[in-house]
Amino acid sequence: NAGVTQTPKFRILKIGQSMTLQCAQDMNHNYMYWYRQDPGMGLKLIYYSVGAGITDKGEVPNGYNVSRSTTEDFPLRLELAAPSQTSVYFCASSWAGLEAFFGQGTRLTVV
Amino acid sequence: EDQVTQSPEALRLQEGESSSLNCSYTVSGLRGLFWYRQDPGKGPEFLFTLYSAGEEKEKERLKATLTKKESFLHITAPKPEDSATYLCAVQPTNNAGNMLTFGGGTRLMVKP
Repeated sequence: NAGVTQTPKFRILKIGQSMTLQCAQDMNHNYMYWYRQDPGMGLKLIYYSVGAGITDKGEVPNGYNVSRSTTEDFPLRLELAAPSQTSVYFCASSWAGLEAFFGQGTRLTVV
Repeated sequence: EDQVTQSPEALRLQEGESSSLNCSYTVSGLRGLFWYRQDPGKGPEFLFTLYSAGEEKEKERLKATLTKKESFLHITAPKPEDSATYLCAVQPTNNAGNMLTFGGGTRLMVKP
């Protein structure tokens, strides 16, 4: 039981490039979330999903897109990367909105 | 708008020196208040959920309490391995995604 797995762990992007952050969970959780964490700040919600095929925007969705074709996977797509997207990204999952389990994070730098 | 404020931002303790971390919140209706521990370079790790004022939960040297406006995380006789950032988050009612609103965290350093 691996929990929540995120790949890659680190990535450097050039301005204007695109990439997909991968997130997979093996706990059969219905809710999944993407957060970003900036230094000294709390986690901000980017997108969330309440089940396969259902996604919705969080607090800071601009510049990102998501999809949820299966219960297990919830990839986050960055289009046209900007320096403001330099951050640590965390994926999380929960069952029916109870305690969320987080992945180890992806540290992204846009230069 | 839901808000969570944690204080202090950083706290240095000597091993064995007990203290408390504060989490003040403003939310239209509270479904749950969550405490997480985050080690450097890692994702947050769940500690407690509190649902109603007056509720308390304990785990080893940690005890979390909840009032209608704030929550405290009490650390009794801390050890160096308790050093971490502690995050507080609220989960409002009427929240389709059961999303969490996080505070900025308290960075705890316990010196031997």
